Amino acid sequence: GQNIDQPTEMTATEGAIVQINCTYQTSGFNGLFWYQQHAGEAPTFLSYNVLDGLEEKGRFSSFLSRSKGYSYLLLKELQMKDSASYLCAEIYGQNFVFGPGTRLSVLP
Amino acid sequence: DSGVTQTPKHLITATGQRVTLRCSPRSGDLSVYWYQQSLDQGLQFLIQYYNGEERAKGNILERFSAQQFPDLHSELNLSSLELGDSALYFCASSEGTMTSTDTQYFGPGTRLTVL
Repeated sequence: GQNIDQPTEMTATEGAIVQINCTYQTSGFNGLFWYQQHAGEAPTFLSYNVLDGLEEKGRFSSFLSRSKGYSYLLLKELQMKDSASYLCAEIYGQNFVFGPGTRLSVLP
Repeated sequence: DSGVTQTPKHLITATGQRVTLRCSPRSGDLSVYWYQQSLDQGLQFLIQYYNGEERAKGNILERFSAQQFPDLHSELNLSSLELGDSALYFCASSEGTMTSTDTQYFGPGTRLTVL
């Protein structure tokens, strides 16, 4: 997606912690979402950030720095079922722009 | 199950044809969004309707159009189909508008194959 950058692929071990980074265009920013998408399935909502700081929801946390145009998704105590694509999405003006997604593989 | 339904699940058609994809939002949701997901383009926002009116427009081609009906279901019309239109088309719904904190709930998608 335009203006948004994420690593293409990441690999981590079951039980570990992984951080997925996302950079986005700051002008016109109105909020940032993280979605999880398993292959062939619909995206499911994980988190929403509009203010700076860390939002924690169980094993998943999301961080936002508006001045740096930077966000990350932190996944703790990784499980095999966390193997999926993680999509960073920005509300940009009146548009909704998704990043290319990061494919995470969790290995035993 | 998100509560958003889409029909049909699969659609196979030929170039030059026209198809209609249907979406029913979650009960109580006023906004409907349409997205296209292809292998080389990722997830692309097409258009949003809120309570029957167009609210935001993304990367939607002129050959594509959409509408939201009084009962809040929505249809996406794709015409003069090309091979490159083959993709997974998702509908999502939310309570309010895009610029709120409303979560979007995605339907299972319609897989369109253009031969």
